[in-house]
Amino acid sequence: KNQVEQSPQSLIILEGKNCTLQCNYTVSPFSNLRWYKQDTGRGPVSLTIMTFSENTKSNGRYTATLDADTKQSSLHITASQLSDSASYICVPPQSSQAGTALIFGKGTTLSVSS
Amino acid sequence: DAGVIQSPRHEVTEMGQEVTLRCKPISGHDYLFWYRQTMMRGLELLIYFNNNVPIDDSGMPEDRFSAKMPNASFSTLKIQPSEPRDSAVYFCASSLLAGGPEQYFGPGTRLTVT
Repeated sequence: KNQVEQSPQSLIILEGKNCTLQCNYTVSPFSNLRWYKQDTGRGPVSLTIMTFSENTKSNGRYTATLDADTKQSSLHITASQLSDSASYICVPPQSSQAGTALIFGKGTTLSVSS
Repeated sequence: DAGVIQSPRHEVTEMGQEVTLRCKPISGHDYLFWYRQTMMRGLELLIYFNNNVPIDDSGMPEDRFSAKMPNASFSTLKIQPSEPRDSAVYFCASSLLAGGPEQYFGPGTRLTVT
């Protein structure tokens, strides 16, 4: 199975501040790396999907980076808003054919306070 | 499209009772996944289907759990008999065969077994 570690486990920041979440994985990649956002009481929603030809990918105030050599990814959130309070889950590349099951990290819980 | 639909949203039952969770995937999606989420273990894949056929059920905890997909628009996850340790949020997700394995999650069913 893939191994994925996310850090920090939880984070509290003030509204308007930036933050960076980390994801380290160990498997040799076959498919893409993804980041999901999960609001409390809801299912995860995809933020970004990165191929291994991409080092950086942005989605509004969210920017994901990927270093395939060191097997590390980060998610940077700029000018945080209260609505960013959620769990952010990294899904590392899978060692099997794309289109099949995903294995999720345990996530980082972000709390943005005013 | 209404997205992935799950029912019920909340279920409270007594130990030993049978529980049935339901899922309607997004129309046209060939893959359907059942996940369980707990604080301790995060999101765990239980089973997934491709074109209504179970492909990998290695995540199903034990024989008390069973899943079916009688047609392309409906799937059930059954727990019989239920136990307190089954308490969790159960998510259903679906994805397209072509165009990448992006998964779309339902809102989840919060199961409490007393």
